[in-house]
Amino acid sequence: DVKVTQSSRYLVKRTGEKVFLECVQDMDHENMFWYRQDPGLGLRLIYFSYDVKMKEKGDIPEGYSVSREKKERFSLILESASTNQTSMYLCASSLSTGRGQRDGYTFGSGTRLTVV
Amino acid sequence: GESVGLHLPTLSVQEGDNSIINCAYSNSASDYFIWYKQESGKGPQFIIDIRSNMDKRQGQRVTVLLNKTVKHLSLQIAATQPGDSAVYFCAERGIKEPSNTGKLIFGQGTTLQVKP
Repeated sequence: DVKVTQSSRYLVKRTGEKVFLECVQDMDHENMFWYRQDPGLGLRLIYFSYDVKMKEKGDIPEGYSVSREKKERFSLILESASTNQTSMYLCASSLSTGRGQRDGYTFGSGTRLTVV
Repeated sequence: GESVGLHLPTLSVQEGDNSIINCAYSNSASDYFIWYKQESGKGPQFIIDIRSNMDKRQGQRVTVLLNKTVKHLSLQIAATQPGDSAVYFCAERGIKEPSNTGKLIFGQGTTLQVKP
């Protein structure tokens, strides 16, 4: 059974802390994504990666950075956590995004981060 | 810009009835569409997908219909059960030239409530 695993289900951090959210997939997928999900705003893309050591900004990258040193692991970093980063964070992976490919995203269970 | 929207934020149905969840998309170049189900406290799960060269695809109790003329996608759930209660997201893949790759763009989500 394919799996995307997020290291924490719930996390509480203080304002100003550096926060690491980890995501690991066991499907040998090329692509990995980080989203945040907020009520009324849906899923918003923060960053994504098409390959090891490659990253691209999504729609809301400000205040975040990412790291992809190995194919199976994609980390989201909050450089200095703020209360407006309190949210549900979802990691996803996919095999391909090319035209003609039938391949959706597999999501992790999410990390609910609270910044106090 | 690109957007994917759902017509209704909440849909309430009686157990045993059929449910229809609608979605409008704006990018006529999108080649692939997916429906996801998200239960409370979990990440989105793939339900069914459809390529743009099809207008209908059936799964177990679910059917996706694609009308490219009016850029409309719908999810039909037959004999709705209490376990179908969740938030349902549509997603489209807009292809970016010349790389011929694309990311999924998600709608806001419709909450399906099943009354016993």
